[in-house]
Amino acid sequence: QVTLRESGPALVRPKEPLTLTCTLSGFSINTTGMCVAWIRQPPGKALEWLARIDWDGDKYYSTSLKTRLTISKDTSKNQVVLTMTNTDPVDTATYYCARIFGFKDAFDIWGQGTIVTVSS
Amino acid sequence: QSVLTQPPSVSGAPGQRVTISCTGSSSNIGAGFDVYWYQQVPGTAPKFLIYGNNNRPSGVPDRFSGSKSGTSASLAITGLQAEDEADYYCQSYDSSLSGSVWVFGGGTKLTVL
Repeated sequence: QVTLRESGPALVRPKEPLTLTCTLSGFSINTTGMCVAWIRQPPGKALEWLARIDWDGDKYYSTSLKTRLTISKDTSKNQVVLTMTNTDPVDTATYYCARIFGFKDAFDIWGQGTIVTVSS
Repeated sequence: QSVLTQPPSVSGAPGQRVTISCTGSSSNIGAGFDVYWYQQVPGTAPKFLIYGNNNRPSGVPDRFSGSKSGTSASLAITGLQAEDEADYYCQSYDSSLSGSVWVFGGGTKLTVL
C-alpha cells in the first residue's frame, strides 16, 4: 500500500527552525520519475506549494520562501525532510507531503498532514 | 491572493450539475501548462481528481470532468451527491520572470443543498 506520513513538532517558537519528515511506504524515492513535494494549508485558507525533490536529486522551491526552505532526501530511510528557518506565526498550518508520479505534475497520493503551530 | 482564481463557493441540489471555474493567465494556464483538480473534505487531506486538464485517475467517478480553454479551466460535477460536498482546488504550473512554481487556486466550497 502506498502511503506518506508526516511527522514533526506540533509547536514551534517564533524564529526557531522547523523540521518536518515525510516517511514513504510502498514506493521508493529512488525510483526513476518519483518526486515528493511539501504543501501547506493555513487554517481556513488555501493550499500553498512549498518545495519538491526529485528521484535524481533535483530540488525546487517556492519563490517567496526559497531563502528559508531546504528539502532533502534520506534514501536509506526512504524519507524526505523539509526544514524551514526563521519561523513566524504566519507559518502556522497543516503541512502535507505528497507524491508526484505517473501523472506529470499531479500530486497523486497525499499524507494525512501534520499540524504545526508557531507561537511563543 | 492566489495566482489561480476560483469562486469562493458554488451550490447545487442533488442530481444537478455544477461547474467550478479556475482562471489563470498567460504565465500558467494560458501558457499551455496542464490543470489538475483536487477534492478536500474538511479535516482531511486533498484527494486527486483530474490530471492533464480532463483525465480521471482510476477510481474517480465519471461524474467528474475537466476542461480547459485559453487561460481558464473548469471542473464539472454531474448528478450531484451529498458526498460531493467539499472544497475543490485547481492546480497548475506558473513560469514568469520571478521564477517557476507550482500553484493552486484559492479553493471553492461546494455545498449540496
